[in-house]
Amino acid sequence: DIQMTQSPSTLSASVGDRVTITCRASQSISSWLAWYQQKPGKAPKLLIYKASSLESGVPSRFSGSGSGTEFTLTISSLQPDDFATYYCQQYNSLWTFGQGTKVEIK
Amino acid sequence: EVQLVQSGAEVKKPGESLKISCKGSGYSFTSYWIGWVRQMPGKGLEWMGIIYPGDSDTRYSPSFQGQVTISADKSISTAYLQWSSLKASDTAMYYCVRHCSSTSCYARAFDIWGQGTMVTVSS
Repeated sequence: DIQMTQSPSTLSASVGDRVTITCRASQSISSWLAWYQQKPGKAPKLLIYKASSLESGVPSRFSGSGSGTEFTLTISSLQPDDFATYYCQQYNSLWTFGQGTKVEIK
Repeated sequence: EVQLVQSGAEVKKPGESLKISCKGSGYSFTSYWIGWVRQMPGKGLEWMGIIYPGDSDTRYSPSFQGQVTISADKSISTAYLQWSSLKASDTAMYYCVRHCSSTSCYARAFDIWGQGTMVTVSS
């Protein structure tokens, strides 16, 4: 099984901050990585696919990078709507989610 | 509109069986995998398994193999997740998702999610 490890588990930030979340795979997954945003009581929403491609309709302040085993999700200027939990997911070999990163208000 | 619509919330007793559903619309149902994702209360997302309705090819996470059964009826564009004997630990929100099977759109991962089905198992 491919394991996905996100860090940090919780992140406290202020509106306007630049935020970076890291996701590491236990083995190479090429660029088969997606990022999702989930707000309380809602289904997750796709933000980034194939490591760096922005899903249609997602604000450009979100960006993804990386390949192989190390990946990052960056929010260039945190907005009030961005306080949520973020998950990475590999789909190189079956499918696996990271444990999530909660972005909370500082 | 492309959507996955799931069946409603369920309250069951331990040992009972259950089958929940996920109906796709607005797209070619047989061109996408349909997967299931579990979210226990206050916890993260767990991929359970996935089915390709075109030929019923099914894959399971090792954590869920033998615990649940995934099936699909392509004639009515509906996928199912079922349990033969529920446990209290099956209490969770269950989401269905789609993943494009063709090379032209496989990269887009789980691009559409159902609204979720809450399953509560309690005596």
